[in-house]
Amino acid sequence: AQTVTQSQPEMSVQEAETVTLSCTYDTSESDYYLFWYKQPPSRQMILVIRQEAYKQQNATENRFSVNFQKAAKSFSLKISDSQLGDAAMYFCALNQFYFGTGTSLTVIP
Amino acid sequence: DADVTQTPRNRITKTGKRIMLECSQTKGHDRMYWYRQDPGLGLRLIYYSFDVKDINKGEISDGYSVSRQAQAKFSLSLESAIPNQTALYFCATSESGTRAGYTFGSGTRLTVV
Repeated sequence: AQTVTQSQPEMSVQEAETVTLSCTYDTSESDYYLFWYKQPPSRQMILVIRQEAYKQQNATENRFSVNFQKAAKSFSLKISDSQLGDAAMYFCALNQFYFGTGTSLTVIP
Repeated sequence: DADVTQTPRNRITKTGKRIMLECSQTKGHDRMYWYRQDPGLGLRLIYYSFDVKDINKGEISDGYSVSRQAQAKFSLSLESAIPNQTALYFCATSESGTRAGYTFGSGTRLTVV
């Protein structure tokens, strides 16, 4: 079975600071893909970043980066220089089907 | 126009009614999906289709049916709506292969009273 766990239902961060959202997963596959999606209050789901399991280098997209620890099956999202527009629900996902329960991020001005 | 369009955006319906949620896409993707989102439960897969002749059940297909009318259209039906089907429903598309992330529609908020 493939599962995704987000153990932080809510997180908060001061504007301009850095925050890390946690995600762990379980799969028996050796090659897979991991994703982070953002859902702002508009409810539109937006792909933030993608990581291919066979690539050791951590993916980066502007202020968003991941810490991918394959042996530990951990895939955390780091948001640097947090902005008010980063406030949203963040979902971790494994391959195409498996989503975590989400982390609600609040950005404090 | 949006790449993935869902209609309606919001809908209130009564218990026992049949309702259809529609999804169309201009991405040219073969793969289409229906998810429901509930607070604290994340997104759960209802049905998915890898091409026009392919329909597959997801994790929570009971009480739902789908139709893939064309490559670009994938509709979700609730044959007899019940209150615990109140949720936010998302349609998504992707390219072939698990490397492709999703393109989501803007969701349909369905309330069954």
